[in-house]
Amino acid sequence: GENVEQHPSTLSVQEGDSAVIKCTYSDSASNYFPWYKQELGKRPQLIIDIRSNVGEKKDQRIAVTLNKTAKHFSLHITETQPEDSAVYFCAASRRGGAGGTSYGKLTFGQGTILTVHP
Amino acid sequence: SAVISQKPSRDICQRGTSLTIQCQVDSQVTMMFWYRQQPGQSLTLIATANQGSEATYESGFVIDKFPISRPNLTFSTLTVSNMSPEDSSIYLCSVAVRANYGYTFGSGTRLTVV
Repeated sequence: GENVEQHPSTLSVQEGDSAVIKCTYSDSASNYFPWYKQELGKRPQLIIDIRSNVGEKKDQRIAVTLNKTAKHFSLHITETQPEDSAVYFCAASRRGGAGGTSYGKLTFGQGTILTVHP
Repeated sequence: SAVISQKPSRDICQRGTSLTIQCQVDSQVTMMFWYRQQPGQSLTLIATANQGSEATYESGFVIDKFPISRPNLTFSTLTVSNMSPEDSSIYLCSVAVRANYGYTFGSGTRLTVV
């Protein structure tokens, strides 16, 4: 089955700096890669996702890059703010069926605790 | 995206008893997933619940311990049976929303077994 490795486990940055979290996956058939932010005591919230037919996606201060050949993808947060402090999880899934209508299970990385110091 | 109502939000249970967790979705969804998140850990998939068929369990999880029902396309339950303190975790349901390919999570059930 799929195995997702995530690094680093903890990341501490100063406000305004950039943060990068990296994940590798093992199943070359995985084709959907979401990133979740989980604040203490709350549910995971999807912040950005990328599909295997795209190499990069950006949404304001957040970007994700995907290298299918190397089977790794990364989350980039620029101009970090204290409210970005949370646990971030990467995940991988195999989406299949006609038109991508079949949703496979999500396999999560181990998580990264991001702390942004004011 | 879909809105999921999950309950109870938390419970404290005696060992040896069972707890049933419910998830109600505001739209019809094909697949529902049940995850466990142990304290300070990542999310681990327990099983995938499809309407009209038996749930598919991941390695290390068995139906006798975690029976699942999926009576229709908007509702599912997970039961944690014969609980022990090791079952103390957060349990979350999740759905895959066809329209935007995203997975949405319920608010979770924080279970403490004493």
